[in-house]
Amino acid sequence: AQSVSQHNHHVILSEAASLELGCNYSYGGTVNLFWYVQYPGQHLQLLLKYFSGDPLVKGIKGFEAEFIKSKFSFNLRKPSVQWSDTAEYFCAVSPSGGYQKVTFGTGTKLQVIP
Amino acid sequence: EAGVTQFPSHSVIEKGQTVTLRCDPISGHDNLYWYRRVMGKEIKFLLHFVKESKQDESGMPNNRFLAERTGGTYSTLKVQPAELEDSGVYFCASSPLGGDQPQHFGDGTRLSIL
Repeated sequence: AQSVSQHNHHVILSEAASLELGCNYSYGGTVNLFWYVQYPGQHLQLLLKYFSGDPLVKGIKGFEAEFIKSKFSFNLRKPSVQWSDTAEYFCAVSPSGGYQKVTFGTGTKLQVIP
Repeated sequence: EAGVTQFPSHSVIEKGQTVTLRCDPISGHDNLYWYRRVMGKEIKFLLHFVKESKQDESGMPNNRFLAERTGGTYSTLKVQPAELEDSGVYFCASSPLGGDQPQHFGDGTRLSIL
């Protein structure tokens, strides 16, 4: 069975600071990787996904993530955060191909201070 | 297109009572998933429908939980009788059949058992 580990539970940054949220997964086969975001009072939204190809994936709102297969990692990055990035971020993994049972990490709450 | 909709958004009931949650997936999405997030913990998979059939219900906690998807459209999740540990946010997600498709999530139903 797959598992996901997010290293930071709560991150506080000032506006314009750079962001990197760690994510490691455990699974013996080929995977699809996701970052979801939940803004206050809103539903979970897909930020970006990796299925195959270029391991550096660009998502919405200036976010990107890099899949490093040898490290089983899929860290999320943003060069300069904004107050509007305050949200909870979830890393997730599913086996590739066929139907997807998505396994989520515990989430990281990001608070950006103006 | 309309997103995944869930009803109610919040339910407060007493221990021992019955509650039914509803999920309307995006039109045309044959895959429907239920997840649950207990406070402070990760989002956990409950079960997966393909059309009206249960593909995987390995995440259902116990037999007090019953999910249905008659006709392959909307789905209900009934908890009977509810216990304190059932409190949490119940998410529904849907995706189209075929290939690797990301799941689209609803706003969730916050269930509070008193």
